[in-house]
Amino acid sequence: QVTLKESGPALVKPTETLTLTCTVSGFSLSSATMGVSWIRQPPGKALEWLAHIFSNGEESYSTSLMTRLTISQDTSRGQVVLTMTNMDPVDTATYYCARIQYDFSTGHTNFDYWGQGTLVTVSS
Amino acid sequence: DIQMTQSPSSLSASVGDRVTITCRASQNISSYLNWYQQKPGKAPKLLMYGASSLQSGVPSRFSGSGSGTDFTLTISSLQPEDFATYFCQQSYSSWTFGQGTKVEI
Repeated sequence: QVTLKESGPALVKPTETLTLTCTVSGFSLSSATMGVSWIRQPPGKALEWLAHIFSNGEESYSTSLMTRLTISQDTSRGQVVLTMTNMDPVDTATYYCARIQYDFSTGHTNFDYWGQGTLVTVSS
Repeated sequence: DIQMTQSPSSLSASVGDRVTITCRASQNISSYLNWYQQKPGKAPKLLMYGASSLQSGVPSRFSGSGSGTDFTLTISSLQPEDFATYFCQQSYSSWTFGQGTKVEI
């Protein structure tokens, strides 16, 4: 059974750094056909992809946020960590981690499993 | 970056109605288009991938079509559990989502 679970602080202050952890089970972060992304959703708004890490450790970031984001993984612990610096109230959102499945025959990818999400509020 | 635009932003429908949601990409994305369903307080759920392939376990009343820049998601006969928000997502170059379409009574 594939599961992903986000953990981290519910409240951060402006200018602080946010650190979120995604703990996965039911699949290996080392699998060539898997990867993990972070996606966020401000209250009542659309989904925004933030960052992705591939099984080989290669990272990919949203161009609008890349200067503030770092993604890393610990395959032995089944964890993917996202850090976001210089938090602002506009960063208040539910943050999700999701598994990406690759189909190497077609090049298609999709987010087939998601965590429940964790609400992060940025306020002093 | 590739922008995704959905229409309408919301729609009202009744059980049994045929519902169509449109998604337009800002450039050609071939068939690199996925659809997700999200219910209040829940994570999104994958419905369709590759524009027209049904994810395992998703009812056959859902279908997708399109290629290039224009795509549609159709629900052939709306059921009570289908009232939700639907997002398209391109996977041609990184990943970006549409703004969502809320299907309500």
